[in-house]
Amino acid sequence: DTAVSQTPKYLVTQMGNDKSIKCEQNLGHDTMYWYKQDSKKFLKIMFSYNNKELIINETVPNRFSPKSPDKAHLNLHINSLELGDSAVYFCASSFGTEAGELFFGEGSRLTVL
Amino acid sequence: AQKITQTQPGMFVQEKEAVTLDCTYDTSDQSYGLFWYKQPSSGEMIFLIYQGSYDEQNATEGRYSLNFQKARKSANLVISASQLGDSAMYFCAMRDYTGGFKTIFGAGTRLFVKA
Repeated sequence: DTAVSQTPKYLVTQMGNDKSIKCEQNLGHDTMYWYKQDSKKFLKIMFSYNNKELIINETVPNRFSPKSPDKAHLNLHINSLELGDSAVYFCASSFGTEAGELFFGEGSRLTVL
Repeated sequence: AQKITQTQPGMFVQEKEAVTLDCTYDTSDQSYGLFWYKQPSSGEMIFLIYQGSYDEQNATEGRYSLNFQKARKSANLVISASQLGDSAMYFCAMRDYTGGFKTIFGAGTRLFVKA
């Protein structure tokens, strides 16, 4: 039973399209995150939600919109995709804001053509 | 501003030898946590070890130990008895516990274990 699961694992799409990535965790964690890993493997936090409330919103273009319908789910919607959005997007969760390690999903590789 | 620095883009180690991966950090917070994660070529992120800023003893987990030197703001990862399966990217990370509550990552070190 996967602890943090993301779908889809791969997305290939054209510039200008809109796409969504879904994330679900069955660990009972309160806090969930989206990270972006670029082609140089650099990991950058994008958003964090704690109990459905947005607590971290880094300087991310507003084409990116996270949504947390409940504390077990955090989705990421991206409008008007650009070439620079190509990356691996990781969902993660933790017990809370003062928790220890992050539990990561397997990542969703987005390729924008 | 908080920052994590990993100065070794790539490292080679002979199988069965020990290797140290360097990590320095910068923060003005008193309460923070330091982490190491492994990312094999398959892409998943695997948590290895954690050190709290108030922990006086260095953390150890099996073959992994964290050499924590608070005054120097360094948190090096030591892998003993390297195995071929240790070949991967290794990320040092820091989480602050005094308001930001976000985990930031260093640029990573790619470790190659030679047979």
